Amino acid sequence: QQQVKQSPQSLIVQKGGISIINCAYENTAFDYFPWYQQFPGKGPALLIAIRPDVSEKKEGRFTISFNKSAKQFSLHIMDSQPGDSATYFCAASPYTSGTYKYIFGTGTRLKVLA
Amino acid sequence: DTEVTQTPKHLVMGMTNKKSLKCEQHMGHRAMYWYKQKAKKPPELMFVYSYEKLSINESVPSRFSPECPNSSLLNLHLHALQPEDSALYLCASSSYRGLDTEAFFGQGTRLTVV
Repeated sequence: QQQVKQSPQSLIVQKGGISIINCAYENTAFDYFPWYQQFPGKGPALLIAIRPDVSEKKEGRFTISFNKSAKQFSLHIMDSQPGDSATYFCAASPYTSGTYKYIFGTGTRLKVLA
Repeated sequence: DTEVTQTPKHLVMGMTNKKSLKCEQHMGHRAMYWYKQKAKKPPELMFVYSYEKLSINESVPSRFSPECPNSSLLNLHLHALQPEDSALYLCASSSYRGLDTEAFFGQGTRLTVV
């Protein structure tokens, strides 16, 4: 119940295309769903996050779609660029006593071809 | 300033050594975290500090000893580590202000145990 399943494991997209990464969870206590981008040798950086009372959130080229009934959420990267090539992690967390116990998905290695 | 600073960036230690990892943030965050990340894997939660008190220990072996001297600093003391403990150790912090919070990660310490 604590797992967050992420797919695909790897993704190759042409420059200008749309990258789509999917995540699914079981624990209905999760109430915060961030996406992180990580470059090799660096720490994860927050891209965008959503709460379950919102079905979609957009920030620039990044959009999260959230389906509460299906317990699924996805990241869409529009107009993908070579600089977007990185590993992307979805995460989920319950909010417990003021802290977030982030549980990460397995990661998606995105490569955007020039 | 949204920076979490970790030192050192790289550390090589023998199995009989004692060393410490340091983490610092000046965002006023009252929750701080230690994560461990193996190559091509997601970060795994180790410890959570809430208002300088240890609130979550994910059954981490006692050779890892966390310490939170004040609201800006977080240490991880290492003793008698094993080669399989080699990994990227990530520190993160998050705010208690309402529910609109996110975790900011440092760049990590790359630890090699020889």
